[in-house]
Amino acid sequence: GENVEQHPSTLSVQEGDSAVIKCTYSDSASNYFPWYKQELGKRPQLIIDIRSNVGEKKDQRIAVTLNKTAKHFSLHITETQPEDSAVYFCAALYSGGSNYKLTFGKGTLLTVNP
Amino acid sequence: NAGVTQTPKFQVLKTGQSMTLQCAQDMNHNSMYWYRQDPGMGLRLIYYSASEGTTDKGEVPNGYNVSRLNKREFSLRLESAAPSQTSVYFCASSGWASGSSYNEQFFGPGTRLTVL
Repeated sequence: GENVEQHPSTLSVQEGDSAVIKCTYSDSASNYFPWYKQELGKRPQLIIDIRSNVGEKKDQRIAVTLNKTAKHFSLHITETQPEDSAVYFCAALYSGGSNYKLTFGKGTLLTVNP
Repeated sequence: NAGVTQTPKFQVLKTGQSMTLQCAQDMNHNSMYWYRQDPGMGLRLIYYSASEGTTDKGEVPNGYNVSRLNKREFSLRLESAAPSQTSVYFCASSGWASGSSYNEQFFGPGTRLTVL
């Protein structure tokens, strides 16, 4: 089955700096890579996703890059703000027939210091 | 449009007790999922249901059973709770929905379960 590794497990940055979180996956058949943000005590919510036919995707201060050859993808947050503080999860999709089963990384706790 | 709802929000059980966690979605999604979340372990899939009438084991199914009651509802049952099942449980659903991609999973608010 799919295995997703996520690094670092914790990340502390100063407000205004950039933050980068990296993930690797094992199954070359995976073709969908979402990122979720989970604030303390809340449910995970999708913030950005990328499909395997795209190398980069941006949404305001957030961007995701994908390197299919190396089987890794990264989340980039620019101009970080205190409200970006949360746990971020990457995931990879293994699709078997009509089944869509996500495998998640273990998460990165991002702290943005004012 | 409530999205994905879960009941209860909190539950305390004694070892050996049983209970059922309820999940419902109103987005007409085909697929539904149960995860558990433990500190430092991320989200681990317990069971999932690709479509009404089917269920499959995920990464950590031992000690749990599920029922896909209909397209809207997917329940998780603990027959004999153990302290190792203390966790936060999230239900999720995915499928075609207005304004979303097929693969996006929407999560419920979670159930915080403590087994003493």
